[in-house]
Amino acid sequence: QVQLQESGPGLVKPSQTLSLTCSVSGGSISSGSYYWSWIRQPAGEGMEWIGRIYSSGNTDYNPSLESRVTISIDPSKNQFSLSLSSVTAADTAVYYCARYDSSSGWFDPWGQGTLVTVSS
Amino acid sequence: DIQMTQSPSSLSASVGDRVTITCRASQSMSNYLNWYQQKPGRPPKLLIYVVSTLQSGVPSRFSGSGSGTDFTLTISSLQPEDFATYYCQQSYSLPLTFGGGTKVEIK
Repeated sequence: QVQLQESGPGLVKPSQTLSLTCSVSGGSISSGSYYWSWIRQPAGEGMEWIGRIYSSGNTDYNPSLESRVTISIDPSKNQFSLSLSSVTAADTAVYYCARYDSSSGWFDPWGQGTLVTVSS
Repeated sequence: DIQMTQSPSSLSASVGDRVTITCRASQSMSNYLNWYQQKPGRPPKLLIYVVSTLQSGVPSRFSGSGSGTDFTLTISSLQPEDFATYYCQQSYSLPLTFGGGTKVEIK
């Protein structure tokens, strides 16, 4: 059974870069017709899709964040990562990684989520 | 972007009630509509995909329907473990988008 786990700093200063890693266990990040995605959720609010990456390295980003986002993948470590630059308080949220099925368009499973706070 | 509008944003119901949640898309999107359940402090859980297919392990009291721009999640007999927030999500076009959520509370 595939499981995902986010890791990274819980506190980032304004204008700096937020960096998170998602570790995948129970299956290869290179197998199947799956993308690997990042989604965030500010406290008490709905969810915003950040972007996705395929095992080949092909990426798609939400245009609202595209100028600041980079998603990368490391198949040798079975991990993928998120980098979000020039952060502000508006980027404070719980960040989730999730597997995305390209044929049916669902997200499953999800990581437990990690709270990232942007504050000086 | 396809905007997903859920209604109501919250509702109060009793155990045993039939509950219906609606999700409306800003444009027609075939059957690329999924539903998730989220409990406080937990990640979302996939309930239904491509409008009406139940994810493995999801109780049969959950069902989905709809087409085009209007979709519905129905819980036929609300159970105590069903009190949560429900989200729809479209995968018809990028960027992938979610509805604002419907919080189901105990009456």
